[in-house]
Amino acid sequence: QKEVEQNSGPLSVPEGAIASLNCTYSDRGSQSFFWYRQYSGKSPELIMSIYSNGDKEDGRFTAQLNKASQYVSLLIRDSQPSDSATYLCAVNRAAGNKLTFGGGTRVLVKP
Amino acid sequence: GAVVSQHPSRVICKSGTSVKIECRSLDFQATTMFWYRQFPKQSLMLMATSNEGSKATYEQGVEKDKFLINHASLTLSTLTVTSAHPEDSSFYICSALLTGQPQHFGDGTRLSIL
Repeated sequence: QKEVEQNSGPLSVPEGAIASLNCTYSDRGSQSFFWYRQYSGKSPELIMSIYSNGDKEDGRFTAQLNKASQYVSLLIRDSQPSDSATYLCAVNRAAGNKLTFGGGTRVLVKP
Repeated sequence: GAVVSQHPSRVICKSGTSVKIECRSLDFQATTMFWYRQFPKQSLMLMATSNEGSKATYEQGVEKDKFLINHASLTLSTLTVTSAHPEDSSFYICSALLTGQPQHFGDGTRLSIL
């Protein structure tokens, strides 16, 4: 079992729709959870961070965390073609500040 | 916000060459920096943790004698790929850690070994 798992996609959504991305992790001691967006050939950029159970909203993005289920998700509302990218879920290991990344979900927003 | 600069952005060189990549935190001091490698269509894989003033900590399977890391100051870490071969061709990305914040990533270095 991979430490952080994501559906590789591609997830195809029409412009204006909601994109829903999921991520599961295996380390129950994980404390911090992050969503990064990565455009092709570029380095990751932070979209959201979440540390406690529940929802966290920032603009068109909402992150949801359920530690009991070891599950974190990202919703992108009113999807735009510029949201087309690979979204990486990253988890901070219980010990230290190392990040473990999932394989990423490729999102395609079609006009 | 916190800015991390990585240089060079692109390197193309012959097999057997050693290549040095720099990672600088521009507006903050980073006692810890991380080096990642990303192969095409794969996710980021942590190679090593660079600690200012001490030896780097390498992840399992990463050769410390091949990937030399020096964290000589609170704003600079370098990764040297020694005697690089085509299989070392990859996208190398550094990040810097500011206490209490998520990691800040550099723009990455695309290394191509001919």
